[in-house]
Amino acid sequence: GDSVTQMEGPVTLSEEAFLTINCTYTATGYPSLFWYVQYPGEGLQLLLKATKADDKGSNKGFEATYRKETTSFHLEKGSVQVSDSAVYFCALRAEGGSTLGRLYFGRGTQLTVWP
Amino acid sequence: EPEVTQTPSHQVTQMGQEVILRCVPISNHLYFYWYRQILGQKVEFLVSFYNNEISEKSEIFDDQFSVERPDGSNFTLKIRSTKLEDSAMYFCASEKRTGVYEQYFGPGTRLTVT
Repeated sequence: GDSVTQMEGPVTLSEEAFLTINCTYTATGYPSLFWYVQYPGEGLQLLLKATKADDKGSNKGFEATYRKETTSFHLEKGSVQVSDSAVYFCALRAEGGSTLGRLYFGRGTQLTVWP
Repeated sequence: EPEVTQTPSHQVTQMGQEVILRCVPISNHLYFYWYRQILGQKVEFLVSFYNNEISEKSEIFDDQFSVERPDGSNFTLKIRSTKLEDSAMYFCASEKRTGVYEQYFGPGTRLTVT
């Protein structure tokens, strides 16, 4: 069935370091892919998304490219800030059918950025 | 900016008791969801709800669970007889689904069953 595998955390970086959080998926057809972020005490917020192969989602300096050949959607940011400290979730939404709304999530990766 | 709210933020209950988790979705949204995350595990889909009925449910969503939209604004998840393994963070989400497919999540309710 559909699933998402996400890099285990926690990840600890210094401010201005480069961030990569790996995410791979298993799905039939052409799912949509998402990164959600959860700041302390808040709900999951959509960070970026991509709906078809080779699409690049971007927001707030974060980027992820939908790679069908490697079934991946890795999250990157060139220079992290302390305010990026949060839990990041990779998710997929299946294409069509009765599961159109359901999201499949990875386990989440805790990112801590030190000044 | 409109947001999804959930109450309570933390609920402690004894095994076998009934609990009701409450959510207020964004007002013009039509699709509603419950997810849960057991500590250290993935966020898992429980159920989706549209037009006053369940549109999809997972294998987790057994007869102990029910959902309701009692008054046009609240969306509730009831667990009839809680088990220790129901301890988790429960997230509500809502979606407009007109053109943009994006689920907006609440902050979650942490349920602890003792």
